[in-house]
Amino acid sequence: QKEVEQNSGPLSVPEGAIASLNCTYSDRGSQSFFWYRQYSGKSPELIMFIYSNGDKEDGRFTAQLNKASQYVSLLIRDSQPSDSATYLCAVRGSSASKIIFGSGTRLSIRP
Amino acid sequence: DVKVTQSSRYLVKRTGEKVFLECVQDMDHENMFWYRQDPGLGLRLIYFSYDVKMKEKGDIPEGYSVSREKKERFSLILESASTNQTSMYLCASTLGGSNEKLLFGSGTQLSVL
Repeated sequence: QKEVEQNSGPLSVPEGAIASLNCTYSDRGSQSFFWYRQYSGKSPELIMFIYSNGDKEDGRFTAQLNKASQYVSLLIRDSQPSDSATYLCAVRGSSASKIIFGSGTRLSIRP
Repeated sequence: DVKVTQSSRYLVKRTGEKVFLECVQDMDHENMFWYRQDPGLGLRLIYFSYDVKMKEKGDIPEGYSVSREKKERFSLILESASTNQTSMYLCASTLGGSNEKLLFGSGTQLSVL
């Protein structure tokens, strides 16, 4: 079992709709959870992080964490063409500073 | 403007060569990381370092070593390059403590022929 799992997509969402991206992790002692966005040919950039169970909102982005189910998700409201990218889920496990990434979900926003 | 700098954007090497990938950060960050990124596999952790001269293996350390003699510099070494090490290599750093935001360099696309 992979430590961090994501559906590779592609996920196609119409402009203006809500895009929902999901991630599961295997280390029950994981402490910190991140969502990175990566445009083609570019390096990943952090868009959200969450530490506690529940929801965290920042503009059009909402991160949701459920530690009991070992599940973290990212919602993007009012999706824009500029949101088309690969979204990487990352988790800091119970061991020190190690940060592990999932394989990423490719999101495409269609006009 | 704070940044993580990788010495080469593109690199072509021959099988069996010793290869050095350099990474420098100017933010006084404690932690530094080397990942490789391959299509469909996401980012896989090779090694990380949480202090000068300290290092820990990631998920795929075989065929690699690292060096961190100074806080700002973290080097990835391919002792004897092989074709299956052709990949995009990404260096990243974090301040440490409660600040875990990874800042990435622009990457080095390594081709081993």
